[in-house]
Amino acid sequence: NAGVMQNPRHLVRRRGQEARLRCSPMKGHSHVYWYRQLPEEGLKFMVYLQKENIIDESGMPKERFSAEFPKEGPSILRIQQVVRGDSAAYFCASSPANYYEAFFGQGTRLTVV
Amino acid sequence: AQSVAQPEDQVNVAEGNPLTVKCTYSVSGNPYLFWYVQYPNRGLQFLLKYITGDNLVKGSYGFEAEFNKSQTSFHLKKPSALVSDSALYFCAVRDANNAGNMLTFGGGTRLMVKP
Repeated sequence: NAGVMQNPRHLVRRRGQEARLRCSPMKGHSHVYWYRQLPEEGLKFMVYLQKENIIDESGMPKERFSAEFPKEGPSILRIQQVVRGDSAAYFCASSPANYYEAFFGQGTRLTVV
Repeated sequence: AQSVAQPEDQVNVAEGNPLTVKCTYSVSGNPYLFWYVQYPNRGLQFLLKYITGDNLVKGSYGFEAEFNKSQTSFHLKKPSALVSDSALYFCAVRDANNAGNMLTFGGGTRLMVKP
């Protein structure tokens, strides 16, 4: 059973471009979470999704950021019109329904130049 | 709202000595508590969890943690540190009474084990 897969591992975007980050949860996991980590800082919750539903997006900026977890395919975190302050590591985690801990992917490191 | 505090940005310990990484939490209901470790440029690896039962829980790589309800703490411990334990450690909490499944993380503590 492969772990949580995130791609790309590294992503460079110019200011104003769009960034798309993908997360394939572990097999059988229907819950997906996205976190952002700035250098030398902790993880900040962004959004919690179940298949086709956003459960909690309280940590996600209201503008430019969106997330989805379609019935088929990976979860996508989309950042439009990126700015330098969006540069960070973005981690995805997944868990089965009614499970306690979440399992993390290796992260996508976004650099905005 | 739930929160986690890790009061030490960095903990230094000599190899072979015991180590403690501190964590305190706040939730409105019963807590589910977790420790994760992060190595450079990697994702988080699960170490151990407290859900219910014995206050002392044992996890991977010889780590253990003690749940103390009165002090709202969940400190991570290891009897004898290894240089390879050097990494960033995160404590996390989930409210057992919250239908949402969100983990809230502390700011992390960097553990440096010197030979």
